[in-house]
Amino acid sequence: SQQGEEDPQALSIQEGENATMNCSYKTSINNLQWYRQNSGRGLVHLILIRSNEREKHSGRLRVTLDTSKKSSSLLITASRAADTASYFCATDANTGNQFYFGTGTSLTVIP
Amino acid sequence: NAGVTQTPKFRVLKTGQSMTLLCAQDMNHEYMYWYRQDPGMGLRLIHYSVGEGTTAKGEVPDGYNVSRLKKQNFLLGLESAAPSQTSVYFCASSYHLARADNEQFFGPGTRLTVL
Repeated sequence: SQQGEEDPQALSIQEGENATMNCSYKTSINNLQWYRQNSGRGLVHLILIRSNEREKHSGRLRVTLDTSKKSSSLLITASRAADTASYFCATDANTGNQFYFGTGTSLTVIP
Repeated sequence: NAGVTQTPKFRVLKTGQSMTLLCAQDMNHEYMYWYRQDPGMGLRLIHYSVGEGTTAKGEVPDGYNVSRLKKQNFLLGLESAAPSQTSVYFCASSYHLARADNEQFFGPGTRLTVL
């Protein structure tokens, strides 16, 4: 079974609005990563947050991590049409050798 | 740097045929991975390698074999293709997962259809 599950499965917002997507996982982790996938392309790494961190920022991205609830959220502020993509969380599940990806959130930003 | 490249980009096979997907990376990464992506299923790990000459099974290894004879290359083989293997296949590479910068770099994908 997959380690990460994103919520919602699909999200549609107007350009300029903020987009929030969530990820829940099942076992303890060393770190959690967020990736973006544009249609028909490979995944691109966005941001990594370690298990001892609670919040991290990168440009318009803000990631939070709550290890007690085994959940993370990705906030994209002031969204743009170019942010339209699928977003995946990935966790290492303390295995040390592989990551587990969730099913993704499909974000559509309407110009 | 080319990053992670995959060949071919598209392929159509008949049931029972065999093929090999090639992944190459020029970042001197120790780890390499093969995933498949199906609608509504996210990415599922097929096999991975933590170094030259080593391979290990992932979440969905049945029907696939892999080899890592050179550090920069990771091959995925289908010995007898089945329609259930119709999918988009992604290769990825990363530094050792114990490193701080262990994000995965993905190739552009191979779209495989098995008739």
